[in-house]
Amino acid sequence: GAGVSQSPSNKVTEKGKDVELRCDPISGHTALYWYRQRLGQGLEFLIYFQGNSAPDKSGLPSDRFSAERTGESVSTLTIQRTQQEDSAVYLCASSPRRALRNEQFFGPGTRLTVL
Amino acid sequence: DQQVKQNSPSLSVQEGRISILNCDYTNSMFDYFLWYKKYPAEGPTFLISISSIKDKNEDGRFTVFLNKSAKHLSLHIVPSQPGDSAVYFCAASGGSNYKLTFGKGTLLTVNP
Repeated sequence: GAGVSQSPSNKVTEKGKDVELRCDPISGHTALYWYRQRLGQGLEFLIYFQGNSAPDKSGLPSDRFSAERTGESVSTLTIQRTQQEDSAVYLCASSPRRALRNEQFFGPGTRLTVL
Repeated sequence: DQQVKQNSPSLSVQEGRISILNCDYTNSMFDYFLWYKKYPAEGPTFLISISSIKDKNEDGRFTVFLNKSAKHLSLHIVPSQPGDSAVYFCAASGGSNYKLTFGKGTLLTVNP
């Protein structure tokens, strides 16, 4: 079956512009996560959605970052007024509600470059 | 403060030999540990996990060992194959917390 998909795969933008990154989770997965991986670093948690519960936004690095999810499907991560330090690979993951504990299925990521 | 540490950025082994990847953690609340494998331009894929109630979990060529007193875990791959060449991430979570805390990864190269 189809895995987690993300678009675009690459995005180059100028400092100060807004960008929107999209994630399509695996069908039927109720949980969705966004992570960021900066060069040479591990994955950094950003935000978590679970069904209709309020999202956990505790990992968002600033108020320039926001994310939405439509029901239990597509999610969009928006970065406003991008800065060079936002350059990273943004990874989306999903998991079913009754998954083996914390096993998350990742998409291929969106590589964001802010010039 | 890095709660999950993979101190070796890279490791090179010969095909057929054992690969040992190490991971240390500092947060005593972590009670579930996972290893992910990542190829270039792909997302990480789940490899194997272990709960803190165990000290070993085996799946085919992959075995994870957990030493809670030392806050240390390791991934053993035997025998190593060239297709195992990838970046391996150690991750951890605690209690009912769904967030995964990742290490920086170790690049494993298996030479034919």
